[in-house]
Amino acid sequence: GENVEQHPSTLSVQEGDSAVIKCTYSDSASNYFPWYKQELGKRPQLIIDIRSNVGEKKDQRIAVTLNKTAKHFSLHITETQPEDSAVYFCAASTAAGNKLTFGGGTRVLVKP
Amino acid sequence: GAVVSQHPSRVICKSGTSVKIECRSLDFQATTMFWYRQFPKQSLMLMATSNEGSKATYEQGVEKDKFLINHASLTLSTLTVTSAHPEDSSFYICSARDQAFAFFGQGTRLTVV
Repeated sequence: GENVEQHPSTLSVQEGDSAVIKCTYSDSASNYFPWYKQELGKRPQLIIDIRSNVGEKKDQRIAVTLNKTAKHFSLHITETQPEDSAVYFCAASTAAGNKLTFGGGTRVLVKP
Repeated sequence: GAVVSQHPSRVICKSGTSVKIECRSLDFQATTMFWYRQFPKQSLMLMATSNEGSKATYEQGVEKDKFLINHASLTLSTLTVTSAHPEDSSFYICSARDQAFAFFGQGTRLTVV
């Protein structure tokens, strides 16, 4: 089955700096890669996703890159703000709407 | 957008009792729902895939007799934790598929005492 590795497990950045989280996956059949933000006790919130036919996608301060050959994808958050502090999860699936395999999560702390 | 409602949001039960968690798609029909479990400070792990009108597909290592899943209608799937023990205490989250996308419920915090 699919295996998703996520690094780092914790990330502390100064407000205004950028944050980068990296994930690798093992199953070449995976074609859909969402990123979720989860606050304590809440459901995961989808923040951005990318499909395998695209190498990069951007939405305001958030961007995701995908290297399908190397089987890795990354989340980039620019101009970080304290409200970006949360746990972020990457995930992989064969298609949007199918079962997800999650990475281990990254706890991001943005210091004012 | 599609709304998935999970109930209860929080439950405390005694060891040995059973607890039922409901996952409802409020404004769409979901032929497929997924059940995930999340231990404190850990990731979400898929427990099973629930298909309307058929038996659920369980992931390796998940006891199907302990975690009973019923998907009797296109808008409701239930997860029953039978004979709950303290080690079953966790955050259980469902997601329901609406065409090409899946939406999460708000989760259920189960504490077994």
